[in-house]
Amino acid sequence: DQQVKQNSPSLSVQEGRISILNCDYTNSMFDYFLWYKKYPAEGPTFLISISSIKDKNEDGRFTVFLNKSAKHLSLHIVPSQPGDSAVYFCAAKGADGLTFGKGTHLIIQP
Amino acid sequence: DGGITQSPKYLFRKEGQNVTLSCEQNLNHDAMYWYRQDPGQGLRLIYYSQIVNDFQKGDIAEGYSVSREKKESFPLTVTSAQKNPTAFYLCASSIYGGPRETQYFGPGTRLLVL
Repeated sequence: DQQVKQNSPSLSVQEGRISILNCDYTNSMFDYFLWYKKYPAEGPTFLISISSIKDKNEDGRFTVFLNKSAKHLSLHIVPSQPGDSAVYFCAAKGADGLTFGKGTHLIIQP
Repeated sequence: DGGITQSPKYLFRKEGQNVTLSCEQNLNHDAMYWYRQDPGQGLRLIYYSQIVNDFQKGDIAEGYSVSREKKESFPLTVTSAQKNPTAFYLCASSIYGGPRETQYFGPGTRLLVL
């Protein structure tokens, strides 16, 4: 039973446009959410996080939105750049540590 | 230059053999973690440790063992009991394993079975 779901295995976006990656969760006890970016054969790199007491957190080109009532969060990247092409993992923190989604492969088209 | 190092980058295991993956951090973090990633899958927690000489099983601990004799080091042994060991293994650390902490990852070790 997946507690953190990223329903889009891949997403293709044109360079310069907005990329929106989505994540849904089922466990209402999750209180902290993170996004990681991963290149092939490398470890994930932390991007941005949000606490459950907030609904938005922004860091440069990256913004994370949290809708607690819908148990949904999204990562917005604007403008999208070629170096953003990677797999993005959503993760949620609960009592047992981090639970990861399966990832979304973002492809930025020139 | 602080960070997490994992070695080797690639590791080959023969049938029935135990192999040990190294993870070292110089971030002065108390908590360390081991995850496994399979193709098309998210990261799954194998073991974690919040303090020296103590560790806890994660979601998929069967066939694995760990030790935490030093704060900086958290080696993972893949035993012969692990029937499907081929995967990408990631080590991570965080300051003390608290509820609102970020985990930082090493570069990973890819384990292949011969």
